[in-house]
Amino acid sequence: GAVVSQHPSWVICKSGTSVKIECRSLDFQATTMFWYRQFPKQSLMLMATSNEGSKATYEQGVEKDKFLINHASLTLSTLTVTSAHPEDSSFYICSARGGLLDRYGYTFGSGTRLTVV
Amino acid sequence: EDQVTQSPEALRLQEGESSSLNCSYTVSGLRGLFWYRQDPGKGPEFLFTLYSAGEEKEKERLKATLTKKESFLHITAPKPEDSATYLCGGFGSNTGKLIFGQGTTLQVKP
Repeated sequence: GAVVSQHPSWVICKSGTSVKIECRSLDFQATTMFWYRQFPKQSLMLMATSNEGSKATYEQGVEKDKFLINHASLTLSTLTVTSAHPEDSSFYICSARGGLLDRYGYTFGSGTRLTVV
Repeated sequence: EDQVTQSPEALRLQEGESSSLNCSYTVSGLRGLFWYRQDPGKGPEFLFTLYSAGEEKEKERLKATLTKKESFLHITAPKPEDSATYLCGGFGSNTGKLIFGQGTTLQVKP
């Protein structure tokens, strides 16, 4: 139980295009989804917190117009990187509470490696 | 401001050489201190949740403990397959955020 499916696993896009990353909770309802960015050999940097049916809360320094987050249902949250540039290349991961914290903690997706060329 | 700090940044051990990883935290309204293991290119894998000072949890060679300011992940007689990055995170009810420390990259040599 408590599985978060994240797609795509990796994507290469041209500079100036947009990329959408999906996170689906497969066997639970995710009212809140956390989105993180991770640079090589660095930790998880919280980008934003999304709540189903409302606007996402972005961390300081994260451009909300560049990183569009939509949490339209209890099982799907999406992150769209708009007008991507090489500096947006990174590893993006989502996380949600999947049930008993003792048993599952916050469940993470498998991550998306974005490369902008 | 909530903060989680891990040390050391990197740790090299010989197989069988026990050690501890440290996680210092300042999280308002802490509602859980979490430990994860992350392998390169993958999402973090859940290990433990701790809620209150004095709590301890064990799983195979790993034991996590919690005080009011720190958490420790003790690794007893590690094996090469324990090599990974270990992340410590805290969820604060005041902010509703789950934040992480920088991680400790553990390398266990045979």
